[in-house]
Amino acid sequence: DAGVTQSPTHLIKTRGQQVTLRCSPKSGHDTVSWYQQALGQGPQFIFQYYEEEERQRGNFPDRFSGHQFPNYSSELNVNALLLGDSALYLCASSFGASSGNTIYFGEGSWLTVV
Amino acid sequence: AQKVTQAQTEISVVEKEDVTLDCVYETRDTTYYLFWYKQPPSGELVFLIRRNSFDEQNEISGRYSWNFQKSTSSFNFTITASQVVDSAVYFCALSGPPSGTYKYIFGTGTRLKVLA
Repeated sequence: DAGVTQSPTHLIKTRGQQVTLRCSPKSGHDTVSWYQQALGQGPQFIFQYYEEEERQRGNFPDRFSGHQFPNYSSELNVNALLLGDSALYLCASSFGASSGNTIYFGEGSWLTVV
Repeated sequence: AQKVTQAQTEISVVEKEDVTLDCVYETRDTTYYLFWYKQPPSGELVFLIRRNSFDEQNEISGRYSWNFQKSTSSFNFTITASQVVDSAVYFCALSGPPSGTYKYIFGTGTRLKVLA
């Protein structure tokens, strides 16, 4: 049973560039959420996708955007990268969009902006 | 507003000691969910437990146990006879009612170091 998979695992980008992170949900799951985890902090909710639509968004600027594909996989795009965007980006999946559903995380994508 | 507080930043214990990780939450919802996750150095958050607000029974799973007390808004996690493999960062999280917000609110985590 495949868990949540994310790619790439690590990447380094320059300020001002754009980055795309990818996520495949756990088998049987249809909902994907993205979180940003800065060093020494807890994960912060970016947004959630269900039925190919953004259902809710956290307190992140429009530079952060996403997409969900018909096979439930998802992408997170960040434009005009800032040094402060350096973090671990975690994708989580669940079956259904209810907040009571347990979400399962991938290993994350470590983004360093220089 | 919802909030989760994990006041213990880092705890060090010697193997075989018992350790309790504290979690205090704030919410105005009557229906809510509480979670604990373990984050080893690899980065992945591993799900440990989910508890809804109407179920105050304590739960035990092997060496792990959880104490949920609505009266004090706490959801504490105890590891009995700790092992080196328990070393990780542990996060407590809160989510709202099924019809409301989808996001999880995480605490800042407690780093547990179990020394051999």
